[in-house]
Amino acid sequence: GAVVSQHPSRVICKSGTSVKIECRSLDFQATTMFWYRQFPKQSLMLMATSNEGSKATYEQGVEKDKFLINHASLTLSTLTVTSAHPEDSSFYICSAGQGRSLGAFFGQGTRLTVV
Amino acid sequence: GQNIDQPTEMTATEGAIVQINCTYQTSGFNGLFWYQQHAGEAPTFLSYNVLDGLEEKGRFSSFLSRSKGYSYLLLKELQMKDSASYLCAVRASSNDYKLSFGAGTTVTVRA
Repeated sequence: GAVVSQHPSRVICKSGTSVKIECRSLDFQATTMFWYRQFPKQSLMLMATSNEGSKATYEQGVEKDKFLINHASLTLSTLTVTSAHPEDSSFYICSAGQGRSLGAFFGQGTRLTVV
Repeated sequence: GQNIDQPTEMTATEGAIVQINCTYQTSGFNGLFWYQQHAGEAPTFLSYNVLDGLEEKGRFSSFLSRSKGYSYLLLKELQMKDSASYLCAVRASSNDYKLSFGAGTTVTVRA
């Protein structure tokens, strides 16, 4: 099946700094990717839809200036958490796909801890 | 908004069968997904249903009834490694391909 690679898997950063998370589709071209966050023992909450070559679409309540998304190519989307705070600590997951199974394959996830 | 319900927890014995139900009320329907998620890991794709009926993949089967807004995931011949959270997700629109997730069902397999 399709492979989606997410990097890094874990990151610890200081409060006030920015962190970039990459999501790559390895064996297919992904015109659309999705970014989710997941708090412990909770389900995935969609943050935004990343569209290649255009601006991301953010879900209600998600600050677009804080969570910057760039989808510059058909195989790469990045999420940058700017001016991170401890409350941003979470598990961030991307997904990608095309056609019938769009959105079906997830990256490995990134555990962000802001100290 | 989208409403997707599944039980919180289920426990079963190794070698047994477990059925995880999922009911949904969404603004539209363009497919239902099941995922497996082990603690601290990303979800893994298990199945996709868009038409009514049963889809079988080895030990895992998924069923869909669109008229009833209902799906189930059937896990046969349970193994200890099947202990995980199982997420039901619905794609409501064919235009934006967003997935709405249920809260997940934690399955514990006991020896």
